[in-house]
Amino acid sequence: DTAVSQTPKYLVTQMGNDKSIKCEQNLGHDTMYWYKQDSKKFLKIMFSYNNKELIINETVPNRFSPKSPDKAHLNLHINSLELGDSAVYFCASSRTPTGGNTEAFFGQGTRLTVV
Amino acid sequence: AQSVTQPDIHITVSEGASLELRCNYSYGATPYLFWYVQSPGQGLQLLLKYFSGDTLVQGIKGFEAEFKRSQSSFNLRKPSVHWSDAAEYFCAVGALGYSTLTFGKGTMLLVSP
Repeated sequence: DTAVSQTPKYLVTQMGNDKSIKCEQNLGHDTMYWYKQDSKKFLKIMFSYNNKELIINETVPNRFSPKSPDKAHLNLHINSLELGDSAVYFCASSRTPTGGNTEAFFGQGTRLTVV
Repeated sequence: AQSVTQPDIHITVSEGASLELRCNYSYGATPYLFWYVQSPGQGLQLLLKYFSGDTLVQGIKGFEAEFKRSQSSFNLRKPSVHWSDAAEYFCAVGALGYSTLTFGKGTMLLVSP
């Protein structure tokens, strides 16, 4: 059983398109995250939801819009894709917000390539 | 705000040799520390974590790490490296009042025959 699953695993699309990445966790966690990993492997938080409420919204272009229909799902929609959006996007979840002794569980990542 | 430094971008170790990956953090209070491993094309897997108590923590796959408050360090060690350990290793810190982890930039471990 996959704990945190993302779809699709690979996504190749043209500039200007709109795309979505889906994430689901079956761990019963309250908190979910989107991280972006750039070409240098640096991991940066984008968004975090706790009980479907947005709690972290880092400096991310408003072309990126997360949506959490329920605690087990956190989707990421990206409008008007740009070349610089090419990266690996990781979904993660944790029992509570990782502001302490709580570990995060990561999905396998979605490699987005914008051409 | 907290920060994490992994001074080594790449490290090459011979198979069977010992390994130490360095991690330094910056945070005013007691941090919560993690090591994650990312194999090629995979997500991040937690190796071990330090929350409190014994400063030497054991993790999966034979890894251990030691929290040294005086040095603000949380170095990862393994006595004998296997070829399958070749991967990217990330140190991360969590802190009360912050709802997310802060990651270091990672260390790529290469294992030579």
